[in-house]
Amino acid sequence: NAGVTQTPKFQVLKTGQSMTLQCAQDMNHNSMYWYRQDPGMGLRLIYYSASEGTTDKGEVPNGYNVSRLNKREFSLRLESAAPSQTSVYFCASSDTPTGAYEQYFGPGTRLTVT
Amino acid sequence: AQSVAQPEDQVNVAEGNPLTVKCTYSVSGNPYLFWYVQYPNRGLQFLLKYITGDNLVKGSYGFEAEFNKSQTSFHLKKPSALVSDSALYFCAVRDASGTYKYIFGTGTRLKVLA
Repeated sequence: NAGVTQTPKFQVLKTGQSMTLQCAQDMNHNSMYWYRQDPGMGLRLIYYSASEGTTDKGEVPNGYNVSRLNKREFSLRLESAAPSQTSVYFCASSDTPTGAYEQYFGPGTRLTVT
Repeated sequence: AQSVAQPEDQVNVAEGNPLTVKCTYSVSGNPYLFWYVQYPNRGLQFLLKYITGDNLVKGSYGFEAEFNKSQTSFHLKKPSALVSDSALYFCAVRDASGTYKYIFGTGTRLKVLA
């Protein structure tokens, strides 16, 4: 049982390049989330998927797109990376909407955009 | 709108002394409240949650938290701090009204001094 896995762990991009961050969970959870963590700002929600087949914007969606590929996988895409997207990205899952369940987090992807 | 405030960026405590990390929240309905801990270069780990019932909830590693509805607070406590408790702590809230979004505080860095 690996929990929540994320790839890659580290990535350096040049401004304007694109990339996809991958996330998978093996806990059969319904809901999945993408956050970014910046110093002094805590975790900010980018997008979430309450259940398979649905996605919704969070607090900071601009410049990102997501795909809920199936129940296990939720990817985050940067179409044209900008220096402001330098951050640590975390994927999480939980067993909502059936209950008030805690979230389980992946190890994170550290992204630098130059 | 939901919000979470962690008024202290850093808390210093001597090993063996009791510790408190503060959290206040604002939601439109009944809150679901959570505490997470983050060690360096790791994802967040769930510590404890309040859903309903007893105002004092116990969690992992000897931590507990007290829900105070009148003061809209959910402070994290531990009777005797360990050096290994040094980490970044996040409070989070979810509105019980049906949204699947969790709002995180900005985090409090706990430093336990030997």
